[in-house]
Amino acid sequence: KQEVTQIPAALSVPEGENLVLNCSFTDSAIYNLQWFRQDPGKGLTSLLLIQSSQREQTSGRLNASLDKSSGRSTLYIAASQPGDSATYLCAVKGLGGATNKLIFGTGTLLAVQP
Amino acid sequence: NAGVTQTPKFRILKIGQSMTLQCTQDMNHNYMYWYRQDPGMGLKLIYYSVGAGITDKGEVPNGYNVSRSTTEDFPLRLELAAPSQTSVYFCASSPKGTAYYGYTFGSGTRLTVV
Repeated sequence: KQEVTQIPAALSVPEGENLVLNCSFTDSAIYNLQWFRQDPGKGLTSLLLIQSSQREQTSGRLNASLDKSSGRSTLYIAASQPGDSATYLCAVKGLGGATNKLIFGTGTLLAVQP
Repeated sequence: NAGVTQTPKFRILKIGQSMTLQCTQDMNHNYMYWYRQDPGMGLKLIYYSVGAGITDKGEVPNGYNVSRSTTEDFPLRLELAAPSQTSVYFCASSPKGTAYYGYTFGSGTRLTVV
């Protein structure tokens, strides 16, 4: 059974700092991995989608990497801003069974202090 | 382009009452999903559908029912509300189940059962 873990559960950094969020998964047989952002009381906004054959994806100040063999992904945020404060969730889509299901981690709550 | 629309945004139910959470998408996506999010627990899949007329159970289907009569709509029905169903419910959709498409989420329905 696929399990997705995110460390740390919460993170507080001063504005301008570069930071890394971690996501690990137990089964490397995945189609893709997706990073989401969730603002309080809001839905999920997709940030980056990495296919299983890819090593990384970039969008603006965000860079996500994927090491499928070790079951790890990182989300790198450069020059953090207070507007980056949110919960960040990673989710993997597995290969077997009902292949369309996303398995989510519990998220990292990020606070960027001005 | 509205994306995925969920109604209502908030609802308080008494134990034993019934209600339907509505979800509509206008992107002509084949796949639709219902998730629930409990505090600190990540998102759990309740039901999903791969097309009109086809539905299947996810990880936590007990106490819920779904139907998919059209491509656009995927309502979630709670027949006898219980306090354990207090949660935030998210509907999502994706074009296909293959690796190259991400998910689009609605803004959620916050349900409290008292």
